[in-house]
Amino acid sequence: GAVVSQHPSWVICKSGTSVKIECRSLDFQATTMFWYRQFPKQSLMLMATSNEGSKATYEQGVEKDKFLINHASLTLSTLTVTSAHPEDSSFYICSARVSGRLTYNEQFFGPGTRLTVL
Amino acid sequence: QKEVEQNSGPLSVPEGAIASLNCTYSDRGSQSFFWYRQYSGKSPELIMFIYSNGDKEDGRFTAQLNKASQYVSLLIRDSQPSDSATYLCAVNSGRNSGYSTLTFGKGTMLLVSP
Repeated sequence: GAVVSQHPSWVICKSGTSVKIECRSLDFQATTMFWYRQFPKQSLMLMATSNEGSKATYEQGVEKDKFLINHASLTLSTLTVTSAHPEDSSFYICSARVSGRLTYNEQFFGPGTRLTVL
Repeated sequence: QKEVEQNSGPLSVPEGAIASLNCTYSDRGSQSFFWYRQYSGKSPELIMFIYSNGDKEDGRFTAQLNKASQYVSLLIRDSQPSDSATYLCAVNSGRNSGYSTLTFGKGTMLLVSP
């Protein structure tokens, strides 16, 4: 159980274009999903917390107008990188927290999306 | 600011040995603690979590928590080459909170040699 999928697994795009990444919880409902970014040889950095039916909460230093998050259902959250630039190239990983199991905050990660901006 | 500290390693152990991974955290109000394994180029995989002082065992893995010392560890018995990965310690300071997040350490690289 607790399977999270991400699509696409990798994407290469030109500078200035927008890229949408989908995160789905396959066998459970997730009121809360998280978006992380990881640069090579660095740790996970939380970008934003996505709550179903409400606006995302962004971490300090993350531009909400550049990284658009939508969590329209209990099984789907999307991250859109708008006007992507080479410095946005990174490994983007989503995670989901099982609804109703708030006590210990277990998060299950998707396989990640590797974004390369040329 | 909440901090989670881990030795970056690499920690090298021979096959069959016990690997001991350590983590300290700064937020004394932290409630639950997680160990994730991350293979190179892959996303983290949850190994286990612990929330009470003491030991928690799951197969070859044992998590140990000492809240007074703000210290959590992961022991891997009978280490295998397939255990070679980066191990991330994560700490949650919000219990029963819809907006609590995890703070991750930078991870310890474990290398198990055949």
